[in-house]
Amino acid sequence: NAGVTQTPKFQVLKTGQSMTLQCAQDMNHNSMYWYRQDPGMGLRLIYYSASEGTTDKGEVPNGYNVSRLNKREFSLRLESAAPSQTSVYFCASSSQTGAPYEQYFGPGTRLTVT
Amino acid sequence: RKEVEQDPGPFNVPEGATVAFNCTYSNSASQSFFWYRQDCRKEPKLLMSVYSSGNEDGRFTAQLNRASQYISLLIRDSKLSDSATYLCVVNGGTNAGKSTFGDGTTLTVKP
Repeated sequence: NAGVTQTPKFQVLKTGQSMTLQCAQDMNHNSMYWYRQDPGMGLRLIYYSASEGTTDKGEVPNGYNVSRLNKREFSLRLESAAPSQTSVYFCASSSQTGAPYEQYFGPGTRLTVT
Repeated sequence: RKEVEQDPGPFNVPEGATVAFNCTYSNSASQSFFWYRQDCRKEPKLLMSVYSSGNEDGRFTAQLNRASQYISLLIRDSKLSDSATYLCVVNGGTNAGKSTFGDGTTLTVKP
């Protein structure tokens, strides 16, 4: 049982390059989330998916797109990276039953855009 | 005004001390409340959910005050290993799937 996994762990991009961050969970959770965390700050929600087939914008969606590929996988795409997107990106998942909204996080992707 | 506000600290306490953190939230329709712990450069980990009646887990006690819209976390008999950033999280309102994190309170426990 790996929980939530993210790839890659580290990435350096040049301004204007694109990339996709991958996230997968094996806990059979319905909901999945993408956050970014800038130095010394809390987590800000980029996008979330309440269930397979649905996605909604969070607090800071501009410059990002997401795909809920299936129940397990939720990817985050940067189409044209900018230095302001330098951050640590965390994926999380949660159940909607039992202990709803208790989120479990992946180890993060540290992204630097130069 | 931020939706979820925490005192950033830092709180520097000696081992064995009792320390309390507060967190206020602005959305009165919020339904679920949590405390997470985040170690330096690591992912947040769920510490405990906060229930209306209050709840305790070992040295940790969480309280919810809906009337005043704040939650609290009390840590008794602090250990060196409690040093971390503690994040307050609020869910619910019109969009139950959306979580809002506070910026965190940093705790350092010293020998």
